[in-house]
Amino acid sequence: DIQMTQSPSSLSASVGDRVTITCRASQSIYNYLNWYQQKSGKAPKLLIYAASSLQSGVPSRFSGSGSGTDFTLTISSLQPEDFATYYCQQSYRTPRTFGQGTKVEIK
Amino acid sequence: EVQLVESGGGLVQPGGSLRLSCATSGFILNTNWLTWVRQAPGKGLEWVANIKVDGSEKNYVDSVKGRFTISRDNPKNSLYLEMNSLRVEDTAVYYCARGRPFGEDYWGQGTLVTVSS
Repeated sequence: DIQMTQSPSSLSASVGDRVTITCRASQSIYNYLNWYQQKSGKAPKLLIYAASSLQSGVPSRFSGSGSGTDFTLTISSLQPEDFATYYCQQSYRTPRTFGQGTKVEIK
Repeated sequence: EVQLVESGGGLVQPGGSLRLSCATSGFILNTNWLTWVRQAPGKGLEWVANIKVDGSEKNYVDSVKGRFTISRDNPKNSLYLEMNSLRVEDTAVYYCARGRPFGEDYWGQGTLVTVSS
């Protein structure tokens, strides 16, 4: 199986901060990388697909980059509603493995 | 509006069985893969299984192979997960989702399965 490793596992940030989360795959997954946001008690929400494409309805402060094995999710200016846990997922091979998650908390 | 609604969760003893259902609406079911993802209490997401549009291909994570069976009924707009030989470590919220080449784009609200004696 392809292993997905996110860093950091958690971070504290203030409203307005620029936040970057990284995800590394154990082998090349080309651009088959997706990012999800999950708020407490809710289902995950797809934010970014194909490494850098913004899902419909997602604010433009979210962006993704990378290819091969290294990927990044950036929130350009953190908003109060962005405090949540973020997961990367590869969809290159089944099982479609997720990273362990990054919890973004209020500083 | 795309909707997925899971049902069938509950409390079951180790070694027992349970069948989850997912009712879908708002999209053409027989043009989409469907997926089950689970989340143990306080833990991350784990992709469990998916099924091709016509049911001809099914994939599973190793930890459930031989115990779980994914199936679908397109005329009934439904997805299922038959779970046998349940273990304590199968305790989780189970989500159904629409699978696309890049990600799972619509999710249900989840149904809780608790395996405990």
